[in-house]
Amino acid sequence: NAGVTQTPKFRVLKTGQSMTLLCAQDMNHEYMYWYRQDPGMGLRLIHYSVGEGTTAKGEVPDGYNVSRLKKQNFLLGLESAAPSQTSVYFCASSYLVNTEAFFGQGTRLTVV
Amino acid sequence: ILNVEQSPQSLHVQEGDSTNFTCSFPSSNFYALHWYRWETAKSPEALFVMTLNGDEKKKGRISATLNTKEGYSYLYIKGSQPEDSATYLCAFIRLDTGGFKTIFGAGTRLFVKA
Repeated sequence: NAGVTQTPKFRVLKTGQSMTLLCAQDMNHEYMYWYRQDPGMGLRLIHYSVGEGTTAKGEVPDGYNVSRLKKQNFLLGLESAAPSQTSVYFCASSYLVNTEAFFGQGTRLTVV
Repeated sequence: ILNVEQSPQSLHVQEGDSTNFTCSFPSSNFYALHWYRWETAKSPEALFVMTLNGDEKKKGRISATLNTKEGYSYLYIKGSQPEDSATYLCAFIRLDTGGFKTIFGAGTRLFVKA
């Protein structure tokens, strides 16, 4: 089992560029999440999904969009990247909201 | 504003010492509390999922307790080993009318010296 896989692992963007981060899970989990992790702060929830075709805003959704067209994939999009979006992004999935979450290995994004 | 506070921020102990950390969270609308272990250059890994007031969970030398009425959870490590060096995160999950919210603490960074 691969678990939760994120691509890419690293990316450097120029301000204003767009990109999509892909998260894939093979555990048939209903819930999927995108977090960002910044120095000195806890993981902050950007968006989440409670099942195929659903998305919902988390704590810090501005500047990001998501889609869950297939149950196993959860995409995070940045339409116009800003330096404030420089961060490490983690995807996670869980069977239910109160069961353990499994995390991907992270994507380090730098916006210059 | 919902705050999840973890203390201490960092901790240096000798091999063999026992230690404990605290996670404080709002006591209203509690749904679940998770503890994760996060080693450098790896992904967070779940240690415990706790849902009931008074819950006590144990995995090897690591255990956790939960008090939802006063809004805290303790994580204990007995006889710390160098391989226990990691950041320990707690995540508070609450349900309200807008759905659920997961709020992570900033973590406690543990260094165990051999």
